[in-house]
Amino acid sequence: EDKVVQSPLSLVVHEGDTVTLNCSYEVTNFRSLLWYKQEKKAPTFLFMLTSSGIEKKSGRLSSILDKKELSSILNITATQTGDSAIYLCAVVGGYGNKLVFGAGTILRVKS
Amino acid sequence: GAVVSQHPSRVICKSGTSVKIECRSLDFQATTMFWYRQFPKQSLMLMATSNEGSKATYEQGVEKDKFLINHASLTLSTLTVTSAHPEDSSFYICSARDIVRGYGYTFGSGTRLTVV
Repeated sequence: EDKVVQSPLSLVVHEGDTVTLNCSYEVTNFRSLLWYKQEKKAPTFLFMLTSSGIEKKSGRLSSILDKKELSSILNITATQTGDSAIYLCAVVGGYGNKLVFGAGTILRVKS
Repeated sequence: GAVVSQHPSRVICKSGTSVKIECRSLDFQATTMFWYRQFPKQSLMLMATSNEGSKATYEQGVEKDKFLINHASLTLSTLTVTSAHPEDSSFYICSARDIVRGYGYTFGSGTRLTVV
C-alpha cells in the first residue's frame, strides 16, 4: 500500500525561527513529490520535486528530495506568523499517477 | 498557472437528499481529475480518480454507489453524494493536472458539505 509519512505532526515556533519539516514515502512507481500549504481552504502549491539532490527555493522556503532515502524536507527560514498553516506532502505514483497525501504538519508561528 | 474551479463552495442539505459538486478545469483539459475528502484537522484522503469517458476508479473503502462520479468532458467532473447522511459532512476537494503545460496538481477551492 502506498504510504506517505510526515513529521512532526505539529510544531510551535517563534517568529524568526527556522523549521524543517520531514516527509518520507513508500510508493510504487514514484514520479514526483509535492509540497502544499493549506490555510483555510484548498491547498496551495509550493514545490514539485522529481530529481534527487536538487534544491528548489522560493523566498524563505526551500525543499529537497532524497530518492535514495525516499524522503524530502521542507525548510522555512525566518518564520513569520503568516507561515502558520498545515503543510502537506504528497507523492505522485501508484497506478494512474495518484496523488497520495501525508497526514500533514500543523505549523504555528507565535509572534 | 492552471485553474480549477469548484462549485458550490458551501452547501447544507437535509439527510436523505443528494448533492452534486462540480469541478471544472478552466484553462486546460483534464483527462483525469481526483476527488478528495478532508475531515477537520486531518489530511486529504483520496476518494476516487475520475477518468474522462470511462468509469471512475474508487479507493478501497469508498462506496461507489454513494459517491457517484461522472467525467463527461475533458473539463468537467462531478461528484454526487447520494442519500446524504450527517457522517458525510466533510470538506470535498477536487484536483487536476495540466499535463500539457507541465504544471503540478492544482486544487479546486473545495466544497464544505453539511448534512443536517
